[in-house]
Amino acid sequence: GAVVSQHPSWVICKSGTSVKIECRSLDFQATTMFWYRQFPKQSLMLMATSNEGSKATYEQGVEKDKFLINHASLTLSTLTVTSAHPEDSSFYICSALQGSTDTQYFGPGTRLTVL
Amino acid sequence: GDSVTQMEGPVTLSEEAFLTINCTYTATGYPSLFWYVQYPGEGLQLLLKATKADDKGSNKGFEATYRKETTSFHLEKGSVQVSDSAVYFCALSDRSEKLVFGKGTKLTVNP
Repeated sequence: GAVVSQHPSWVICKSGTSVKIECRSLDFQATTMFWYRQFPKQSLMLMATSNEGSKATYEQGVEKDKFLINHASLTLSTLTVTSAHPEDSSFYICSALQGSTDTQYFGPGTRLTVL
Repeated sequence: GDSVTQMEGPVTLSEEAFLTINCTYTATGYPSLFWYVQYPGEGLQLLLKATKADDKGSNKGFEATYRKETTSFHLEKGSVQVSDSAVYFCALSDRSEKLVFGKGTKLTVNP
């Protein structure tokens, strides 16, 4: 099956610093990737849609200047949490859309803790 | 907007019991429907999907049928195992390919 990786799997940072999370599709190309946030015992909330070679589309209420998304290649999208604060602590999950099957494949997630 | 409602858990069953997790949806068009599973400490994995009415998705003994008349996509398994313990998410995707998830149902299967 299609494999999507995320790096790092967990990160702890100080308040005010920036953190970059990578999402890679390992065995297929993905023109579209998605970034989600999952709160404890809750569902996934779509943050933004990342399109290769163009600007990301953010969902309502998501600050684009805080959550910077770059989709520079067909296998890599990055999410940078800028000037992180404790309330940004969460589980961030990416997915990549496999066009041939019209199915999203998910990465294992990144646990971000902001102190 | 589109939405997914699934039965809230947690659900606790004994091994070999029958499982049903209800899922209903609201959508303006004709979405594709999915069940994803999240095992402890892991990311979401696609369990099964159906792309049109009356389609049945199946995988690993799990089944779900796309019922347009009742706007439902209930997940079933005839005999659960301890290894099925996980959180199950129902989801839909419209033409924009965005996924809308239900809140998830935690299943615990005891030996």
